[in-house]
Amino acid sequence: GAVVSQHPSRVICKSGTSVKIECRSLDFQATTMFWYRQFPKQSLMLMATSNEGSKATYEQGVEKDKFLINHASLTLSTLTVTSAHPEDSSFYICSASMVSGANVLTFGAGSRLTVL
Amino acid sequence: AQKITQTQPGMFVQEKEAVTLDCTYDTSDPSYGLFWYKQPSSGEMIFLIYQGSYDQQNATEGRYSLNFQKARKSANLVISASQLGDSAMYFCAMREVTTGNQFYFGTGTSLTVIP
Repeated sequence: GAVVSQHPSRVICKSGTSVKIECRSLDFQATTMFWYRQFPKQSLMLMATSNEGSKATYEQGVEKDKFLINHASLTLSTLTVTSAHPEDSSFYICSASMVSGANVLTFGAGSRLTVL
Repeated sequence: AQKITQTQPGMFVQEKEAVTLDCTYDTSDPSYGLFWYKQPSSGEMIFLIYQGSYDQQNATEGRYSLNFQKARKSANLVISASQLGDSAMYFCAMREVTTGNQFYFGTGTSLTVIP
């Protein structure tokens, strides 16, 4: 089955530093990847849709300059939290889909970011 | 309007009993998919079951079945013979095919299986 690998699973950083999270589709090509943010005991909030070779589409209220998304290949998308602050601490989870349509969304295991 | 509504923030079920988790959806897209995901405390999102809007029969996957009532726009998840390992958050989701392929998630239901 489709596997999405997300790394790192946990990261602790100092305020003001940047953190990069990688999302890889291991056994399929993902034309589209989605990045979500999840607060404790809440649902997933879509941050952006990442299409290979083009700029990401950000949801309303998500700062493009704060959350940089790059989808350089069909198997890799990255999320960089720039100049992280404690309020950016959260659980970030990526997902990928093989083709457009009613296909299953496969999720990475998530990355828990703690900004001190 | 909410695209996906899960009205049960928390549910309890006795081990080996069946439980139904409710989900209603709202869409004008004739082509859509409905999904259920399980999220244990570790955080990973585990795909459980899928139902397409044109599917005539209810989807089943092992102990999971989806009670799809299209006219009522409901897609309830039924877990039979509950196990302790079923304790987790459960999210209902919908993907609209012709209007952008975006996934919409419900607020989730926390299921606790009691031994």
